[in-house]
Amino acid sequence: EAQVTQNPRYLITVTGKKLTVTCSQNMNHEYMSWYRQDPGLGLRQIYYSMNVEVTDKGDVPEGYKVSRKEKRNFPLILESPSPNQTSLYFCATGPAGGAQFFGPGTRLTVL
Amino acid sequence: SQQGEEDPQALSIQEGENATMNCSYKTSINNLQWYRQNSGRGLVHLILIRSNEREKHSGRLRVTLDTSKKSSSLLITASRAADTASYFCAPPGGTGFQKLVFGTGTRLLVSP
Repeated sequence: EAQVTQNPRYLITVTGKKLTVTCSQNMNHEYMSWYRQDPGLGLRQIYYSMNVEVTDKGDVPEGYKVSRKEKRNFPLILESPSPNQTSLYFCATGPAGGAQFFGPGTRLTVL
Repeated sequence: SQQGEEDPQALSIQEGENATMNCSYKTSINNLQWYRQNSGRGLVHLILIRSNEREKHSGRLRVTLDTSKKSSSLLITASRAADTASYFCAPPGGTGFQKLVFGTGTRLLVSP
């Protein structure tokens, strides 16, 4: 079954404590991306990756890092989380510019 | 830069009625996509319409595209309570149209 998995699904943490949200896909797509969704602001792209070892900034990359060492995984790293990064995060994959498959989301709260 | 804007922001109808949602975008596209999101869940791809297509159907969904007006519409016919969700249009942005640009969506409520 085609899947995009994210872990954890829910996370409450404190300011400054480094965290990683994992994303894994089994569809063999080269393109992967991360979005955050906030009330009134819609979904905004954080980072995307066109292929292994190829990543680029989206619209709101500040405070985030990503890596793409393998095709199937695209972790999102918050080196020093702040309360303004409290949000709902989605990983997505699919053909670049084509139909995207979204993960179930990670609800992050930074206190 | 590219932007997708859905209208109306919210729509409330009865089961069996049709629901129409509109989308406007700013810059040229090669295709436009529509997604559905149930509350707090991941987005689900509904339909992709290419820039050389005027209309596309998928089950009870009908999407139109007018590139001269930079607009698209999503029609859901004979709506059901299970259609209650937020709907997003996603025109592509970036060089090479490699990313999708989402708006804030239309919240559709279908009452039994």
